[in-house]
Amino acid sequence: KQEVTQIPAALSVPEGENLVLNCSFTDSAIYNLQWFRQDPGKGLTSLLLIQSSQREQTSGRLNASLDKSSGRSTLYIAASQPGDSATYLCAVKNAGNMLTFGGGTRLMVKP
Amino acid sequence: NAGVTQTPKFQVLKTGQSMTLQCAQDMNHEYMSWYRQDPGMGLRLIHYSVGAGITDQGEVPNGYNVSRSTTEDFPLRLLSAAPSQTSVYFCASRKGTGGYEQYFGPGTRLTVT
Repeated sequence: KQEVTQIPAALSVPEGENLVLNCSFTDSAIYNLQWFRQDPGKGLTSLLLIQSSQREQTSGRLNASLDKSSGRSTLYIAASQPGDSATYLCAVKNAGNMLTFGGGTRLMVKP
Repeated sequence: NAGVTQTPKFQVLKTGQSMTLQCAQDMNHEYMSWYRQDPGMGLRLIHYSVGAGITDQGEVPNGYNVSRSTTEDFPLRLLSAAPSQTSVYFCASRKGTGGYEQYFGPGTRLTVT
């Protein structure tokens, strides 16, 4: 059974810092990995989708990498801003129809 | 496009009551699903559908029913609400069963007393 872990569970940084969020998974036979952002009391917003054949995806200040063989993905946020404060979730898709989610990293960017 | 919409946003039920959580998408997505999100448990799949007329169970299906009569709508029914079903419920959709991006609705916060 796929298990997805996100470390750290919470992170507080000053504005302007570059930061890395980690996601690890136990079964490397994945179709893709998706990073989401969730604001308090809101739904999940898709940030980046990396297919299993890809190594990384970029969107603005966000860059996500994927290393299938080691079961790891990282989400890099450049020049963090207070508006980046949210919970970040990663989810992996194996064969079948289910996404398996990590527990999330709660990010606080202080002005 | 409105994307994935859910109603209601909030609901309080008494134990034993039944209700239906509504979900609709306007992206012509074949695949739709329901998740619940609980503190310390993450998001868990309840039921999913790969197209109109086809549904299947996810990880935590007990106490819930679904049907998919149209591509757009995927309601979730609680048959006899229990306090253990207090949670935030999210509906999601994607284009198909392959490696497509998944989109989520805003959620329904349900409390069962």
